[in-house]
Amino acid sequence: NAGVTQTPKFRVLKTGQSMTLLCAQDMNHEYMYWYRQDPGMGLRLIHYSVGEGTTAKGEVPDGYNVSRLKKQNFLLGLESAAPSQTSVYFCASSYDTGELFFGEGSRLTVL
Amino acid sequence: AQSVTQLDSQVPVFEEAPVELRCNYSSSVSVYLFWYVQYPNQGLQLLLKYLSGSTLVKGINGFEAEFNKSQTSFHLRKPSVHISDTAEYFCAVSATGFQKLVFGTGTRLLVSP
Repeated sequence: NAGVTQTPKFRVLKTGQSMTLLCAQDMNHEYMYWYRQDPGMGLRLIHYSVGEGTTAKGEVPDGYNVSRLKKQNFLLGLESAAPSQTSVYFCASSYDTGELFFGEGSRLTVL
Repeated sequence: AQSVTQLDSQVPVFEEAPVELRCNYSSSVSVYLFWYVQYPNQGLQLLLKYLSGSTLVKGINGFEAEFNKSQTSFHLRKPSVHISDTAEYFCAVSATGFQKLVFGTGTRLLVSP
């Protein structure tokens, strides 16, 4: 019963480095999302996907890219990390009722 | 576009006391409403949801919420809280028929003995 799995769970980067966060879900959900969580700001949507091969921008997409080559995976990339991208990142997936199933989060620190 | 306001950033309460966490939303179309809970160092999990029908919605762990369309509110209540209810609670809204949730900024519930 894995649900939504995020890797890695922790990462420290230097400014300018790149990295990819991987999200995998085993519930056959069509919809997948990447959120970031910052103190006092709740969760903000970065990018989302409504199906394999599709992606769309959310509320705060700048500095991030995503890909959904397989239905079960949703990748979030940072091409050139900045300190402002220090955050906790959550992946989620859903079917058609809007109920999201979340991963446990990936804590990223950019120095 | 939809938006959510959680007026209280933190709510302290004693164990076995009742609690209400407030949520107001803004939308020009019909909405679905949700409450999620986040325990320390964990992801969010669904407490309850309103999609249609009865305006009083019951969720897990003894929580309930009431959808009030005229006041555009969806307040979360529990008649008697436990220490284990200490967590952050997020209200969220989406337009019906669309999957993009908008979250509030969260309310931290602190239950003390």
